[in-house]
Amino acid sequence: SYVLTQTPSVSVAPGQTAIITCMGNSLSTKNVHWYQQKPGQAPVLVVYDDGVRPSGIPERFSGSNFGNTATLTISGVEAVDEADYYCHVWDSSDHSDHHIFGSGTQVTVL
Amino acid sequence: QVQLQESGPGLVKPSETLSLTCSVSGASINGYYWHWIRQSPGKGLEWIGFLSDTGTTNYNASIKNRVTISVDTSKKQFFLRLTSVTAADTAVYYCARGGRGVAAAPLEFWGQGTLVAVS
Repeated sequence: SYVLTQTPSVSVAPGQTAIITCMGNSLSTKNVHWYQQKPGQAPVLVVYDDGVRPSGIPERFSGSNFGNTATLTISGVEAVDEADYYCHVWDSSDHSDHHIFGSGTQVTVL
Repeated sequence: QVQLQESGPGLVKPSETLSLTCSVSGASINGYYWHWIRQSPGKGLEWIGFLSDTGTTNYNASIKNRVTISVDTSKKQFFLRLTSVTAADTAVYYCARGGRGVAAAPLEFWGQGTLVAVS
């Protein structure tokens, strides 16, 4: 089955840039979505279709997807951005149609 | 504003059936994909399955023999049924809305989640 791999943790100082990666085989052929989850809360969609921000999501969140790696970038990180981030795809290959989540990346703001 | 609310027992005995309801408000239940996702304590998100806009279902292969997702459009509710539960099924269960007629769409709206313990 399809697997999405994320770096377990990323630490970043306020005002700096956080780069969160999600790796999967031929990932660029799929639309990647990203969610932010704070402790005790439901996930929130922050980027969809590789790099589109939903209404209300700050411009400091951006995304890209090339080759086998999708990237969520948080520019000018703020303390409120400390959370877990998950990538997500719809995999319709290999005779099975499944939604897949990445393993998650914990972002710590120093 | 679309709102989803999970409800159901917070404690289920091993080998019994877990049943949850997701109530939808602020939008039609017709025409969309409706998902269940779970998160075991301290772990990541696991997709359970969806009910499509045409009434078809698709489940995670790891639990497809135990899971059923259904809908009552008149009540704007959809349901999760998971049989023969074990401690490994202890998790926060979320319902979420997917795309309008598109399986690959992101999950834009989520319920707050409900913790179900198997013990």
